[in-house]
Amino acid sequence: DQQVKQNSPSLSVQEGRISILNCDYTNSMFDYFLWYKKYPAEGPTFLISISSIKDKNEDGRFTVFLNKSAKHLSLHIVPSQPGDSAVYFCAATPGGATNKLIFGTGTLLAVQP
Amino acid sequence: EPEVTQTPSHQVTQMGQEVILRCVPISNHLYFYWYRQILGQKVEFLVSFYNNEISEKSEIFDDQFSVERPDGSNFTLKIRSTKLEDSAMYFCASNIAPDSDSNQPQHFGDGTRLSIL
Repeated sequence: DQQVKQNSPSLSVQEGRISILNCDYTNSMFDYFLWYKKYPAEGPTFLISISSIKDKNEDGRFTVFLNKSAKHLSLHIVPSQPGDSAVYFCAATPGGATNKLIFGTGTLLAVQP
Repeated sequence: EPEVTQTPSHQVTQMGQEVILRCVPISNHLYFYWYRQILGQKVEFLVSFYNNEISEKSEIFDDQFSVERPDGSNFTLKIRSTKLEDSAMYFCASNIAPDSDSNQPQHFGDGTRLSIL
């Protein structure tokens, strides 16, 4: 099941710079997308989401962009901080009668001081 | 901030034995979920639960699995006869309403690491 893909297993960024994490999806029926952050030995923590009717959502240092025609979304973190170092999961839900989240494989972000 | 709590954090069980994983969802949440993550793989949906019944389940969630809300606070996942391939992190999640409605994301617990020997 490759409906949600994160093609970069890892990303290294300098503190203060921008981190861009990417996610692609194949199912055009997805109507809601989310980003979760996960530290070791903890569960996924919700970061930010976007509805399919929007192309951008911003919350502080975090911005999610959605390009429906390309079936692509990205998470921008500006400025990056060492505490942002974690695994970031993209997830999507088809909506309608189902609430299940379909996750990508995750991207390990390392923010270097 | 309210959180989803899961116990135990680590469960070691002999193959063929029954195991019950426990979760306490956030108190005003109405929808409950179980996911699992096998080491090195994606987080996978198992089952969703609303109004005291299963609303959706994946093909992973076969007859060996069951869920229950035995009282007003707990939500449990039972595996009747465990197999080696059941070894994984199991995450419980909850939300007030479905994700597509009113922008209510699922909140996750820290998981139970299940090891089958």
